[in-house]
Amino acid sequence: SQQGEEDPQALSIQEGENATMNCSYKTSINNLQWYRQNSGRGLVHLILIRSNEREKHSGRLRVTLDTSKKSSSLLITASRAADTASYFCATDAGNQFYFGTGTSLTVIP
Amino acid sequence: GAGVSQTPSNKVTEKGKYVELRCDPISGHTALYWYRQSLGQGPEFLIYFQGTGAADDSGLPNDRFFAVRPEGSVSTLKIQRTERGDSAVYLCASSPFRGADTQYFGPGTRLTVL
Repeated sequence: SQQGEEDPQALSIQEGENATMNCSYKTSINNLQWYRQNSGRGLVHLILIRSNEREKHSGRLRVTLDTSKKSSSLLITASRAADTASYFCATDAGNQFYFGTGTSLTVIP
Repeated sequence: GAGVSQTPSNKVTEKGKYVELRCDPISGHTALYWYRQSLGQGPEFLIYFQGTGAADDSGLPNDRFFAVRPEGSVSTLKIQRTERGDSAVYLCASSPFRGADTQYFGPGTRLTVL
């Protein structure tokens, strides 16, 4: 079963706006990662945040982690049409990796 | 190789047939993972190899599914007596070692069972 649940399921914004997507999970984790997927094929790793970190930045990406609420958020600033994709959170809880259900992001030029 | 490769990219088969899906990880990566992704869902963990051994196969849905990695590099996912519900994209990923920050994914094999 999948551990992560993402919200919203779908998000449509204008180019230049910020996009925020959220992920909730159920059990203790070692780290949480965000991946991007185009056209239902291979996933690309975006960013990892460890359980002892609260916030992390990478370029236009900002990730937060609240272990007390078992939730994470991914913020993409100044969105571009090329950011259109599905975004998944994934939790590493030891020997198992669980992906969320994903947020489908559409950035309108 | 430069990245994780998977063959075939698409496989169409009939219910009841046997299929093999191949994954060629990044050279030197000891950890290899198989996932299954149904339409509109996130990838679902199937099995994890550390070297030649299956360190965790708890995600395999039933005994029709089996995977091997005999030389610690290429892996084959084998599905016996395929069912229509097996239709999905099968993704393979590798990483330099268990616990590495990043998993590198292949493009996937889209399996369609008619």
